[in-house]
Amino acid sequence: GIQVEQSPPDLILQEGANSTLRCNFSDSVNNLQWFHQNPWGQLINLFYIPSGTKQNGRLSATTVATERYSLLYISSSQTTDSGVYFCAVVSSGGSNYKLTFGKGTLLTVNP
Amino acid sequence: NAGVTQTPKFRILKIGQSMTLQCTQDMNHNYMYWYRQDPGMGLKLIYYSVGAGITDKGEVPNGYNVSRSTTEDFPLRLELAAPSQTSVYFCASSYLDSSYEQYFGPGTRLTVT
Repeated sequence: GIQVEQSPPDLILQEGANSTLRCNFSDSVNNLQWFHQNPWGQLINLFYIPSGTKQNGRLSATTVATERYSLLYISSSQTTDSGVYFCAVVSSGGSNYKLTFGKGTLLTVNP
Repeated sequence: NAGVTQTPKFRILKIGQSMTLQCTQDMNHNYMYWYRQDPGMGLKLIYYSVGAGITDKGEVPNGYNVSRSTTEDFPLRLELAAPSQTSVYFCASSYLDSSYEQYFGPGTRLTVT
């Protein structure tokens, strides 16, 4: 099945810093989503972005489908950005519509 | 819209007990899914459904059962709970279109002791 790799696995920032999280995937995709799992365990949809670029406030994402990677940018980070960021994809070649998740990037933003 | 709702939020079971995790969505989505998340890991698909009356297994279906009698509801049943089923369970749903964008519920944290 499709493989999803996220980097870095852990990231520690000072408040106000910028960061880039990366997601590589091994096959073509119909769907790519970025999620933020907050310290209370809630999964929050950040972006649906199988290709192209989107922005939402301090967050933006770019997916280059032909090169099989996606980037999540966080600017002017805040302590509330802490948590785990997951990339998840639906493979074009799959038949069960399931999201395959990466292992996530654990982000800690210190005040 | 409430989106995807799950009950209960937390539950502790003894080994061998059974329970049903409830999931309801009010977005008229055809597709619904159950995932589990073990500590420090991403989510894995347990079962999914493409419409009322149609269900299929995901990656980790053993020890679970599902049913889909209505578009809105997709309950997950645990029979004979085992410690290996200690996890956080997420329900999700998506439209019947080519995007497969999924919307997740708040999760149920289950401990089996």
